Amino acid sequence: QVTLRESGPALVKPTQTLTLTCTFSGFSLTTSGMCVSWIRQPPGKALEWLALIAWDGDKYYSPSLKTRLTISKATSKNQVVLTMTNMDPIDTATYYCARTVAGVNFDYWGQGTLVTVSS
Amino acid sequence: SYELTQPPSVSVSPGQTARITCSGDALPKKFAYWYQQKSGQAPVLVISEDSRRPSGIPEKFSGSSSGKVATLTISGAHVEDEADYYCYSTDFSGGHNGVFGGGTKLTVL
Repeated sequence: QVTLRESGPALVKPTQTLTLTCTFSGFSLTTSGMCVSWIRQPPGKALEWLALIAWDGDKYYSPSLKTRLTISKATSKNQVVLTMTNMDPIDTATYYCARTVAGVNFDYWGQGTLVTVSS
Repeated sequence: SYELTQPPSVSVSPGQTARITCSGDALPKKFAYWYQQKSGQAPVLVISEDSRRPSGIPEKFSGSSSGKVATLTISGAHVEDEADYYCYSTDFSGGHNGVFGGGTKLTVL
């Protein structure tokens, strides 16, 4: 049974760095073709793909956010971590992690975590 | 930057067929994926690789792609199919630049 769960602060201040952790079970990030992605959704708005980390360590970022994002994995802990620097109120959103097969297929999602950016 | 374009809304009567389109320049060469998101819930994959239906997804959901347009078809739509639907694909770059469409609100009334 595949599960993913996002964790991190619910509230961050402008200019701070956000760190989110995705803890997963039911699959291994060492399996060929397996990846984990981060996706966000501002309230009432569309989904936005942010970043992906692959089983082989390759990392990909949204071009519009790549200077602010870092994705990493702790394979032994079954965790993927996303950091986003210089947070702004427009970054207020629900952040999801998702198992990603072959780099494009988000077949399992976490329930999401709402992050509010406010002073 | 690469964009996928969806109609903001589609409305059908119960039992009718709903069709939601997604247009993008790279779609002739890249697969489209479709996600259903009901209010307050995480998205669910309903169609992968243009037309493959994942296990557990009802047969009423089907997908197709022709040229620059991918289409999600919901046959015999009912109230429980009301949701936001998003397409997803990647651009031509050698790496991975994933993009979601703007989403389509399906109303069944």
